[in-house]
Amino acid sequence: AQSVTQLGSHVSVSEGALVLLRCNYSSSVPPYLFWYVQYPNQGLQLLLKYTTGATLVKGINGFEAEFKKSETSFHLTKPSAHMSDAAEYFCAVSERNNDMRFGAGTRLTVKP
Amino acid sequence: NAGVTQTPKFQVLKTGQSMTLQCAQDMNHNSMYWYRQDPGMGLRLIYYSASEGTTDKGEVPNGYNVSRLNKREFSLRLESAAPSQTSVYFCASSEGGVLMKAFFGQGTRLTVV
Repeated sequence: AQSVTQLGSHVSVSEGALVLLRCNYSSSVPPYLFWYVQYPNQGLQLLLKYTTGATLVKGINGFEAEFKKSETSFHLTKPSAHMSDAAEYFCAVSERNNDMRFGAGTRLTVKP
Repeated sequence: NAGVTQTPKFQVLKTGQSMTLQCAQDMNHNSMYWYRQDPGMGLRLIYYSASEGTTDKGEVPNGYNVSRLNKREFSLRLESAAPSQTSVYFCASSEGGVLMKAFFGQGTRLTVV
């Protein structure tokens, strides 16, 4: 079955610095890949997704992710962190339309 | 503009008690899901319903049952609660499977003592 590994349960950056959250996946078929964000005491919100086509995907709030098949990776980046980006981020993979597997999550802290 | 509504928001159960978590969406979505979220484990799919009248097991279905009452509502039932079911439960819906944007409820924090 498909699976996701998120490297680093906690990442801390300074405001204005680059954000890089790492995600590696395992899938027996071409995967669909997602990044979700969870703010405290809320449900998850979709940031971006990759299905087919262009491997660099742009999402909301200035985030983007690049699908690299050779590295089985889908890392999330943002050029300049903002205080409001502090949240927990989840990478997810799906092989079939209704079965999406999530990583353990990475908590992002943004220091002033 | 409610989206996905879950009730209750908090619940404490004794081991062996039963309860039903309710979920309703007002977006006319076909697909609905139940996940549980545990520290360090992300979200795990319990059950999903691709359309009204159908349900399928996800990654961790044991100890749970579901009912897709109609297109709007998808309930999750714990028949005999166990401490291992202490978790935060999220309901989600999407127009047509996970490839479409999924909307999540705010969660139900369940503690089984």
